[in-house]
Amino acid sequence: DSGVTQTPKHLITATGQRVTLRCSPRSGDLSVYWYQQSLDQGLQFLIQYYNGEERAKGNILERFSAQQFPDLHSELNLSSLELGDSALYFCASRAHTSGRDNEQFFGPGTRLTVL
Amino acid sequence: GNSVTQMEGPVTLSEEAFLTINCTYTATGYPSLFWYVQYPGEGLQLLLKATKADDKGSNKGFEATYRKETTSFHLEKGSVQVSDSAVYFCALHGSSNTGKLIFGQGTTLQVKP
Repeated sequence: DSGVTQTPKHLITATGQRVTLRCSPRSGDLSVYWYQQSLDQGLQFLIQYYNGEERAKGNILERFSAQQFPDLHSELNLSSLELGDSALYFCASRAHTSGRDNEQFFGPGTRLTVL
Repeated sequence: GNSVTQMEGPVTLSEEAFLTINCTYTATGYPSLFWYVQYPGEGLQLLLKATKADDKGSNKGFEATYRKETTSFHLEKGSVQVSDSAVYFCALHGSSNTGKLIFGQGTTLQVKP
Protein backbone atom coordinates (compact mmCIF):
# COMPACT_ATOMS: atom_id res chain seq x y z
CA ASP A 1 0.00 0.00 0.00
CA SER A 2 1.59 3.26 -1.19
CA GLY A 3 -0.52 5.48 1.04
CA VAL A 4 -2.00 7.28 -1.98
CA THR A 5 -5.71 6.74 -2.46
CA GLN A 6 -7.80 7.28 -5.55
CA THR A 7 -11.53 7.17 -6.07
CA PRO A 8 -13.42 5.81 -7.80
CA LYS A 9 -11.65 2.66 -8.88
CA HIS A 10 -13.77 2.30 -11.99
CA LEU A 11 -15.84 4.81 -13.90
CA ILE A 12 -18.04 4.11 -16.90
CA THR A 13 -19.66 7.02 -18.67
CA ALA A 14 -20.85 8.21 -22.06
CA THR A 15 -19.30 10.51 -24.63
CA GLY A 16 -19.88 14.18 -23.95
CA GLN A 17 -20.12 13.71 -20.19
CA ARG A 18 -17.97 15.16 -17.43
CA VAL A 19 -16.31 13.23 -14.60
CA THR A 20 -14.18 14.02 -11.57
CA LEU A 21 -11.37 11.81 -10.32
CA ARG A 22 -10.14 12.25 -6.79
CA CYS A 23 -6.75 11.67 -5.22
CA SER A 24 -5.48 11.87 -1.65
CA PRO A 25 -1.69 12.00 -1.36
CA ARG A 26 0.43 10.38 1.32
CA SER A 27 0.44 12.19 4.61
CA GLY A 28 2.88 15.09 4.43
CA ASP A 29 3.45 15.00 0.66
CA LEU A 30 2.86 18.40 -0.88
CA SER A 31 3.12 17.45 -4.56
CA VAL A 32 0.50 15.64 -6.57
CA TYR A 33 1.04 14.41 -10.11
CA TRP A 34 -1.52 13.09 -12.57
CA TYR A 35 -0.61 10.58 -15.27
CA GLN A 36 -2.62 8.92 -18.01
CA GLN A 37 -1.93 5.36 -19.10
CA SER A 38 -3.40 4.29 -22.43
CA LEU A 39 -2.57 1.51 -24.85
CA ASP A 40 -1.50 3.83 -27.65
CA GLN A 41 0.22 6.61 -25.69
CA GLY A 42 1.70 4.67 -22.79
CA LEU A 43 2.21 6.48 -19.50
CA GLN A 44 2.11 10.24 -19.90
CA PHE A 45 2.45 13.06 -17.41
CA LEU A 46 -0.56 15.36 -17.35
CA ILE A 47 -0.12 17.94 -14.62
CA GLN A 48 1.53 18.64 -11.26
CA TYR A 49 0.39 20.62 -8.23
CA TYR A 50 2.52 21.67 -5.32
CA ASN A 51 0.88 22.91 -2.15
CA GLY A 52 -2.19 24.13 -3.99
CA GLU A 53 -0.48 25.71 -6.97
CA GLU A 54 -0.02 24.40 -10.47
CA ARG A 55 3.68 23.64 -10.97
CA ALA A 56 3.98 21.93 -14.34
CA LYS A 57 1.85 20.90 -17.29
CA GLY A 58 2.41 18.05 -19.66
CA ASN A 59 0.25 16.60 -22.39
CA ILE A 60 -3.02 17.67 -20.84
CA LEU A 61 -5.96 18.49 -23.08
CA GLU A 62 -7.84 21.76 -22.66
CA ARG A 63 -10.94 19.72 -21.81
CA PHE A 64 -9.12 18.49 -18.73
CA SER A 65 -8.40 20.50 -15.62
CA ALA A 66 -7.19 19.86 -12.12
CA GLN A 67 -6.91 21.51 -8.76
CA GLN A 68 -5.38 20.86 -5.37
CA PHE A 69 -7.29 21.84 -2.26
CA PRO A 70 -6.02 23.21 1.09
CA ASP A 71 -6.11 19.71 2.60
CA LEU A 72 -3.82 18.70 -0.31
CA HIS A 73 -6.20 16.29 -1.99
CA SER A 74 -6.50 16.80 -5.72
CA GLU A 75 -9.20 16.40 -8.32
CA LEU A 76 -8.86 15.85 -12.05
CA ASN A 77 -11.85 17.01 -14.06
CA LEU A 78 -12.43 15.57 -17.51
CA SER A 79 -15.15 17.13 -19.64
CA SER A 80 -16.70 16.63 -23.09
CA LEU A 81 -15.44 13.09 -22.90
CA GLU A 82 -14.45 11.23 -26.05
CA LEU A 83 -13.90 7.54 -26.68
CA GLY A 84 -10.17 8.17 -26.80
CA ASP A 85 -10.17 9.41 -23.21
CA SER A 86 -10.69 5.85 -22.00
CA ALA A 87 -7.59 5.09 -19.99
CA LEU A 88 -6.16 4.41 -16.56
CA TYR A 89 -5.53 7.63 -14.65
CA PHE A 90 -2.91 7.57 -11.94
CA CYS A 91 -2.20 10.00 -9.21
CA ALA A 92 1.19 10.10 -7.53
CA SER A 93 2.54 12.06 -4.61
CA ARG A 94 6.14 12.98 -4.04
CA ALA A 95 8.34 12.77 -1.02
CA HIS A 96 10.27 15.98 -0.52
CA THR A 97 12.51 14.58 2.19
CA SER A 98 16.26 14.24 1.97
CA GLY A 99 17.34 11.05 0.26
CA ARG A 100 13.91 10.33 -1.18
CA ASP A 101 13.31 13.61 -2.91
CA ASN A 102 12.68 12.20 -6.37
CA GLU A 103 10.50 9.28 -5.40
CA GLN A 104 6.90 9.30 -6.44
CA PHE A 105 4.33 7.03 -4.83
CA PHE A 106 1.47 5.97 -7.04
CA GLY A 107 -2.15 5.33 -6.24
CA PRO A 108 -4.03 2.29 -7.58
CA GLY A 109 -5.52 4.31 -10.44
CA THR A 110 -8.98 5.05 -11.76
CA ARG A 111 -10.03 3.15 -14.86
CA LEU A 112 -12.20 5.35 -17.04
CA THR A 113 -14.28 3.80 -19.77
CA VAL A 114 -16.09 6.11 -22.18
CA LEU A 115 -18.85 4.42 -24.18
CA GLY B 1 13.71 16.62 -25.05
CA ASN B 2 14.10 13.87 -22.51
CA SER B 3 13.02 10.38 -23.48
CA VAL B 4 13.27 6.74 -22.43
CA THR B 5 13.38 3.70 -24.69
CA GLN B 6 12.80 0.16 -23.45
CA MET B 7 13.13 -3.13 -25.19
CA GLU B 8 9.89 -4.37 -26.63
CA GLY B 9 8.04 -7.16 -24.98
CA PRO B 10 6.55 -9.41 -24.10
CA VAL B 11 9.43 -11.28 -22.56
CA THR B 12 8.66 -14.88 -21.67
CA LEU B 13 11.03 -16.81 -19.42
CA SER B 14 11.05 -20.02 -17.49
CA GLU B 15 11.33 -19.89 -13.71
CA GLU B 16 14.93 -19.43 -12.48
CA ALA B 17 16.06 -17.96 -15.81
CA PHE B 18 18.20 -14.83 -16.01
CA LEU B 19 16.39 -11.61 -16.84
CA THR B 20 17.61 -8.52 -18.65
CA ILE B 21 15.32 -5.70 -19.73
CA ASN B 22 17.16 -3.02 -21.66
CA CYS B 23 16.56 0.67 -21.05
CA THR B 24 18.31 3.63 -22.66
CA TYR B 25 17.62 7.29 -22.16
CA THR B 26 18.16 10.70 -23.68
CA ALA B 27 18.43 13.61 -21.29
CA THR B 28 20.25 16.82 -20.64
CA GLY B 29 22.11 17.22 -17.41
CA TYR B 30 22.11 14.48 -14.80
CA PRO B 31 18.75 12.76 -14.52
CA SER B 32 17.69 10.33 -11.83
CA LEU B 33 16.67 6.91 -13.15
CA PHE B 34 13.99 4.55 -11.90
CA TRP B 35 12.42 1.17 -12.50
CA TYR B 36 8.75 0.82 -11.62
CA VAL B 37 6.74 -2.40 -11.64
CA GLN B 38 3.04 -2.79 -12.28
CA TYR B 39 1.41 -6.04 -11.22
CA PRO B 40 -1.88 -7.00 -12.88
CA GLY B 41 -4.71 -4.73 -11.77
CA GLU B 42 -2.49 -2.60 -9.56
CA GLY B 43 -0.74 0.74 -9.61
CA LEU B 44 2.96 1.36 -10.11
CA GLN B 45 5.44 0.49 -7.40
CA LEU B 46 8.96 1.82 -7.24
CA LEU B 47 11.32 -1.12 -7.69
CA LEU B 48 14.70 0.63 -7.56
CA LYS B 49 16.42 3.87 -8.40
CA ALA B 50 19.81 5.47 -9.06
CA THR B 51 20.54 9.15 -8.83
CA LYS B 52 24.05 9.50 -10.26
CA ALA B 53 26.44 7.84 -12.67
CA ASP B 54 27.75 4.40 -11.64
CA ASP B 55 25.16 4.09 -8.87
CA LYS B 56 23.60 0.64 -8.62
CA GLY B 57 20.01 0.37 -7.50
CA SER B 58 18.86 -2.95 -6.09
CA ASN B 59 15.73 -4.43 -4.54
CA LYS B 60 14.12 -7.89 -4.28
CA GLY B 61 16.95 -9.44 -6.30
CA PHE B 62 16.66 -6.92 -9.12
CA GLU B 63 19.59 -4.65 -10.01
CA ALA B 64 20.28 -1.82 -12.42
CA THR B 65 23.40 0.30 -12.87
CA TYR B 66 23.34 3.91 -14.05
CA ARG B 67 25.73 4.00 -17.03
CA LYS B 68 26.25 7.53 -18.23
CA GLU B 69 28.71 6.56 -20.96
CA THR B 70 26.13 4.35 -22.64
CA THR B 71 23.06 6.28 -21.34
CA SER B 72 21.61 3.02 -20.09
CA PHE B 73 19.90 1.60 -17.02
CA HIS B 74 19.28 -2.07 -17.79
CA LEU B 75 17.27 -4.13 -15.32
CA GLU B 76 18.64 -7.56 -14.34
CA LYS B 77 17.69 -10.43 -12.09
CA GLY B 78 19.62 -13.62 -11.71
CA SER B 79 16.71 -16.00 -11.16
CA VAL B 80 13.15 -14.96 -11.91
CA GLN B 81 10.05 -16.36 -10.23
CA VAL B 82 6.48 -16.72 -11.41
CA SER B 83 5.57 -13.91 -9.01
CA ASP B 84 7.81 -11.52 -10.98
CA SER B 85 5.34 -11.58 -13.87
CA ALA B 86 4.36 -7.95 -14.36
CA VAL B 87 4.94 -4.90 -16.52
CA TYR B 88 8.22 -3.10 -15.90
CA PHE B 89 8.69 0.60 -16.64
CA CYS B 90 11.95 2.47 -16.89
CA ALA B 91 11.63 6.17 -16.07
CA LEU B 92 13.71 9.27 -15.63
CA HIS B 93 13.37 12.44 -13.67
CA GLY B 94 15.20 15.29 -15.34
CA SER B 95 17.08 18.18 -13.90
CA SER B 96 14.06 20.47 -13.68
CA ASN B 97 12.37 21.14 -10.39
CA THR B 98 9.00 19.80 -11.43
CA GLY B 99 9.90 16.22 -10.74
CA LYS B 100 7.70 14.84 -13.49
CA LEU B 101 8.62 11.34 -14.58
CA ILE B 102 9.15 10.38 -18.18
CA PHE B 103 8.39 6.72 -18.78
CA GLY B 104 9.42 4.17 -21.31
CA GLN B 105 6.71 2.17 -23.03
CA GLY B 106 6.85 -0.68 -20.54
CA THR B 107 7.97 -4.29 -20.95
CA THR B 108 5.69 -7.17 -20.07
CA LEU B 109 7.41 -10.07 -18.37
CA GLN B 110 5.76 -13.46 -18.15
CA VAL B 111 7.48 -16.16 -16.12
CA LYS B 112 6.32 -19.73 -16.64
CA PRO B 113 6.72 -22.46 -14.04
